[in-house]
Amino acid sequence: DAGVIQSPRHEVTEMGQEVTLRCKPISGHNSLFWYRQTMMRGLELLIYFNNNVPIDDSGMPEDRFSAKMPNASFSTLKIQPSEPRDSAVYFCASSQRQTNTEAFFGQGTRLTVV
Amino acid sequence: KQEVTQIPAALSVPEGENLVLNCSFTDSAIYNLQWFRQDPGKGLTSLLLIQSSQREQTSGRLNASLDKSSGRSTLYIAASQPGDSATYLCAPENAGNMLTFGGGTRLMVKP
Repeated sequence: DAGVIQSPRHEVTEMGQEVTLRCKPISGHNSLFWYRQTMMRGLELLIYFNNNVPIDDSGMPEDRFSAKMPNASFSTLKIQPSEPRDSAVYFCASSQRQTNTEAFFGQGTRLTVV
Repeated sequence: KQEVTQIPAALSVPEGENLVLNCSFTDSAIYNLQWFRQDPGKGLTSLLLIQSSQREQTSGRLNASLDKSSGRSTLYIAASQPGDSATYLCAPENAGNMLTFGGGTRLMVKP
């Protein structure tokens, strides 16, 4: 398996624009997580899905953030409208809940909002 | 709410030293605990996973221990090498598959 795949790797956008980050989890994994990493706050959980259903979105900072998982092999994190303080690295991770195994992370998307 | 603290925040050692990284967490009701490595500008690589029923886990020069009741885990790195230079992150897993991360220990191993 190629691991967790995120796209794009880098995104530079202007304030006010819509940004969509994409994630393909490892095949067979039924839990998917979106994290945000900044120097000030470290790694923060934004939202996680189990069997494509959002379970906990309490980490989503504002209504400008939304996430979807239309099927077991794809998820998106959308920011609309984007703001400079959204600049961070966004990571997607997946795991197999039933077997209580490791979580695997993608390489991340570095977002810069100017 | 789970809170995770890692000490020290940064560590610089000469090559060959054995070292210990510390992690403490406030909520002991965990399912497991993972240690990750993160290289600059890269994603997280899982190093070790310790189940809540285990006391330790070993992989090569790495050994992680877990004392669930006291809310502590340590990562022991034997015979450190320059290639071990990275940030090491501890993440206990609570109900719902949720990992909470510490701030990390930034390790520099000098040749």
